[in-house]
Amino acid sequence: QSALTQPASVSGSPGQSITISCTGTSSDVGGYNYVSWYQQHPGKAPKLMIYEVSNRPSGVPDRFSGSKSGNTASLTISGLQAEDEADYYCSSYTSSSTVVFGGGTKLTVL
Amino acid sequence: EVQLVESGGGLVKPGGSLRLSCAASGFTFSSYSMNWVRQAPGKGLEWVSSISSSSSYIYYADSVKGRFTISRDNAKNSLYLQMNSLRAEDTAVYYCARDLDGYPSGMDVWGQGTTVTVSS
Repeated sequence: QSALTQPASVSGSPGQSITISCTGTSSDVGGYNYVSWYQQHPGKAPKLMIYEVSNRPSGVPDRFSGSKSGNTASLTISGLQAEDEADYYCSSYTSSSTVVFGGGTKLTVL
Repeated sequence: EVQLVESGGGLVKPGGSLRLSCAASGFTFSSYSMNWVRQAPGKGLEWVSSISSSSSYIYYADSVKGRFTISRDNAKNSLYLQMNSLRAEDTAVYYCARDLDGYPSGMDVWGQGTTVTVSS
């Protein structure tokens, strides 16, 4: 199972919006509504930000939103804040009953 | 407080074995499916294995199938990962993680990780 494709890096200024894409195939992202997004700060465990494409766990700010179109899922962060600077990973359920992660995207807040 | 605490990591020679443990507290462990996820140094996340709440369903990544075995003891609120025939590429921080609402809804609680180093 190949990793999902994410851009290596994105950047934005405080207050701006950014979008991170996550591209898979019809056997994973496109075939199921089980796409999740995780935030990871250096040296820390990942944190769930979005589950089942567009749902936010309690405690996650509504500045974070998720969507999906075809084989590509997206994470949008609006009103960028300094503390949003981190690595972001998408994941998806697959037709093999496994889970696959994306390669990760480093978000820099300028 | 909902918490997962991994243990059992360490330095092991190629071909060796190691058993990781994950102690759960603060929630009804027996009601949740659980996962192991690893992260090699400087690399991204890699899902390793998942087990359903009653151990009825177990899944593995191709990279560990036949070498790793996931298990759980609901009476002890514990998750395990038996790792055999270890390779250098298994070197990573290993996290246990809880599924929010059944597999594969998303992993909402993570431990702090335990480091496994495979080297001669």
